[in-house]
Amino acid sequence: AQTVTQSQPEMSVQEAETVTLSCTYDTSENNYYLFWYKQPPSRQMILVIRQEAYKQQNATENRFSVNFQKAAKSFSLKISDSQLGDTAMYFCAFRAVSGGSNYKLTFGKGTLLTVNP
Amino acid sequence: EPEVTQTPSHQVTQMGQEVILRCVPISNHLYFYWYRQILGQKVEFLVSFYNNEISEKSEIFDDQFSVERPDGSNFTLKIRSTKLEDSAMYFCASTTQGSEQFFGPGTRLTVL
Repeated sequence: AQTVTQSQPEMSVQEAETVTLSCTYDTSENNYYLFWYKQPPSRQMILVIRQEAYKQQNATENRFSVNFQKAAKSFSLKISDSQLGDTAMYFCAFRAVSGGSNYKLTFGKGTLLTVNP
Repeated sequence: EPEVTQTPSHQVTQMGQEVILRCVPISNHLYFYWYRQILGQKVEFLVSFYNNEISEKSEIFDDQFSVERPDGSNFTLKIRSTKLEDSAMYFCASTTQGSEQFFGPGTRLTVL
């Protein structure tokens, strides 16, 4: 079974600054996907970024980038130029590639990020 | 852009009553999921559904829960006799064999 750990329950950052959210995971799978989802107060789950484990290059989506360290089983999210709209709960999630007919997501407990003006 | 929809957005029910939560997944998707999020806690997997049958269920998904895809477009979660601890946000998600799961906006279930 996989586990996902987010050790920072809450974080805050000043607008326009950079913040990094941590995530570690444990798995015996060799091939998998990792995701960061954002959940604003509306509670909609929004995909921020994904990383395929077989790719060495770290994924980037505009102001969002990851630092994926496969050997260390670490997957951190960096948000650059933080904006007030980035205030949300952020969940790290894991999905095995070889799921057969099941590709369920395993989530961490989340990090509540507050961007201060 | 296609999206997953869920109805109702909020359901209030009395303990012991049956509820049905409805989802319309994205039309060409083949894998369907229900997740639950108790307020302030993480999102938990309930059940996955593929080829008209359950492919995996968690320990939360006991005999009080059932899922159905009655007409090729809707995907429903039924709770037969609700308990107070069933109060949560329920998310439906769907995917092809690709990596990303697309989530609906959720149904907030309140059991009184």
